[in-house]
Amino acid sequence: GENVEQHPSTLSVQEGDSAVIKCTYSDSASNYFPWYKQELGKRPQLIIDIRSNVGEKKDQRIAVTLNKTAKHFSLHITETQPEDSAVYFCAASRADYKLSFGAGTTVTVRA
Amino acid sequence: DAGVIQSPRHEVTEMGQEVTLRCKPISGHNSLFWYRQTMMRGLELLIYFNNNVPIDDSGMPEDRFSAKMPNASFSTLKIQPSEPRDSAVYFCASSPIGTGPYEQYFGPGTRLTVT
Repeated sequence: GENVEQHPSTLSVQEGDSAVIKCTYSDSASNYFPWYKQELGKRPQLIIDIRSNVGEKKDQRIAVTLNKTAKHFSLHITETQPEDSAVYFCAASRADYKLSFGAGTTVTVRA
Repeated sequence: DAGVIQSPRHEVTEMGQEVTLRCKPISGHNSLFWYRQTMMRGLELLIYFNNNVPIDDSGMPEDRFSAKMPNASFSTLKIQPSEPRDSAVYFCASSPIGTGPYEQYFGPGTRLTVT
């Protein structure tokens, strides 16, 4: 089955700096890569996703890049703000339903 | 749009008791997922329904766990008998109709504590 590894497990950044989270996956047939943000005690919420026919996608301060050859994808958050503090999960899926999640990255934005 | 609805939000029960968790997916979504989240194991998919039919239950930990979806707007996850190691947050998620995969929308979760 699919194995998704996520790094780092924790990330502390100064407000205004950028944060980068990286994930690798094992199944070359995976073609959908969503990112979820989970605040403490809340549900995971989709913040951005990318499909294998594109290499990069942006939405305001967040962007995701995908390298299918190397089987890795990354989340970039620019101009970080305190409200960006949360746990971020990457996931990968084939052309079906099953999302395989990474272990999560706890991001702390220092004011 | 009310989003995915789960009940109860918190459940505390004693070992050996039966626990039933409930989920109402977003109207019009034809796929429903049950997940379990713990610190040790992260987010695990327990079971997936498509058009009310269980498609993959390989993530159900053991026979003590069962799930049903009697109609498009309701699903249950039952644990009988419950054990302390079942303590976790259980999320239900739904996904819209179409050629997959599509984004999954999570409910608020049920925090289960088994003492």
